[in-house]
Amino acid sequence: AQSVTQPDIHITVSEGASLELRCNYSYGATPYLFWYVQSPGQGLQLLLKYFSGDTLVQGIKGFEAEFKRSQSSFNLRKPSVHWSDAAEYFCAVGVRTGNQFYFGTGTSLTVIP
Amino acid sequence: DTGVSQNPRHKITKRGQNVTFRCDPISEHNRLYWYRQTLGQGPEFLTYFQNEAQLEKSRLLSDRFSAERPKGSFSTLEIQRTEQGDSAMYLCASSRNRGYRDTQYFGPGTRLTVL
Repeated sequence: AQSVTQPDIHITVSEGASLELRCNYSYGATPYLFWYVQSPGQGLQLLLKYFSGDTLVQGIKGFEAEFKRSQSSFNLRKPSVHWSDAAEYFCAVGVRTGNQFYFGTGTSLTVIP
Repeated sequence: DTGVSQNPRHKITKRGQNVTFRCDPISEHNRLYWYRQTLGQGPEFLTYFQNEAQLEKSRLLSDRFSAERPKGSFSTLEIQRTEQGDSAMYLCASSRNRGYRDTQYFGPGTRLTVL
């Protein structure tokens, strides 16, 4: 069965520091991978997605993610975090069969000045 | 592109009452999804429409839940005889029909509190 694991429930970083949020998936075929961000009172906003091709994908707000098939991972990175990046981040996998996304449990990011 | 909208944003109800939520998808999107998100969890799939046809339902969608999309545009999600366990954020998403490469765009959600 397909699943998504986000090992870090909560991460705290200093403003200006680099960030990496981990995501591991379990799926038998090539997955379609997404990162969404959710701010309080807001809906989920798409940061970036991977379907095929270049394994390093660029997204909005300076985020990037790298698909590593050998590690079943799709980690999200940002070189310099801004205070406005504080939010909940969700990794999701879309599968070839069916039409639903499977989401991880999320990583809550706190940015300290 | 006005995005996905959901109404109401918040709903407080007493146990046993019925509630109905509305979702208006992005206008050119023919796929519409409902998810439920509880505290500390990621969204969980409930059901999915392609145009007016409801094509998939999760086991999470008990008999008390019903969803419609009568004209292939907006959708409603009704919960009958609400229970405290129904308290959650109900999210709607929409997408174009691009098969398994669909990207889903989410609305702000309706937060339901059952007292």
